[in-house]
Amino acid sequence: DVKVTQSSRYLVKRTGEKVFLECVQDMDHENMFWYRQDPGLGLRLIYFSYDVKMKEKGDIPEGYSVSREKKERFSLILESASTNQTSMYLCASTPSNRNIGIQYFGAGTRLSVL
Amino acid sequence: RKEVEQDPGPFNVPEGATVAFNCTYSNSASQSFFWYRQDCRKEPKLLMSVYSSGNEDGRFTAQLNRASQYISLLIRDSKLSDSATYLCVVNRGNNDMRFGAGTRLTVKP
Repeated sequence: DVKVTQSSRYLVKRTGEKVFLECVQDMDHENMFWYRQDPGLGLRLIYFSYDVKMKEKGDIPEGYSVSREKKERFSLILESASTNQTSMYLCASTPSNRNIGIQYFGAGTRLSVL
Repeated sequence: RKEVEQDPGPFNVPEGATVAFNCTYSNSASQSFFWYRQDCRKEPKLLMSVYSSGNEDGRFTAQLNRASQYISLLIRDSKLSDSATYLCVVNRGNNDMRFGAGTRLTVKP
């Protein structure tokens, strides 16, 4: 079974803190994604990566950055957390561009910024 | 206007009922289509792909109408375990996936 692991299920941070969300997949997938999910808005793509050290902006990259130093790990960084970044963050991976719709998700990190 | 629109529900149906969800998308160049299921406080999981000719997987039937830019999911003989949120997902190509906000279904005994 494909396993996508997010380092934390719940996080509480203060405004202005630097926050790291980690995601690891164990199936050698090329593509990895970070989304946030908010009620009534669905999942919105923040960043994605199709290879090590490669990254592409999604719909809402402002206030976020990412790092992909190894194929299995994709990190989301909130440079200076703000209250409007309180959300559920979901990481996903997929094996190849051909099957891009078939995404495997981690369990999510619920982040609260106070 | 959202790129992928779904009726948020909730749909409350008795066990054994047939229920249908609709989804519309605005980008006519969208390439492929999917339904995902998300249980409460869990991650989304692929339920089924949607093919142009329509496709069935057990009690679930998915339809695509490219001319009307419309996708549907039909669930027959609803089970309690079908209670979840159903997400319509559209692939615009180039890793560009768009998710609907989801339709919540509750199946009651």
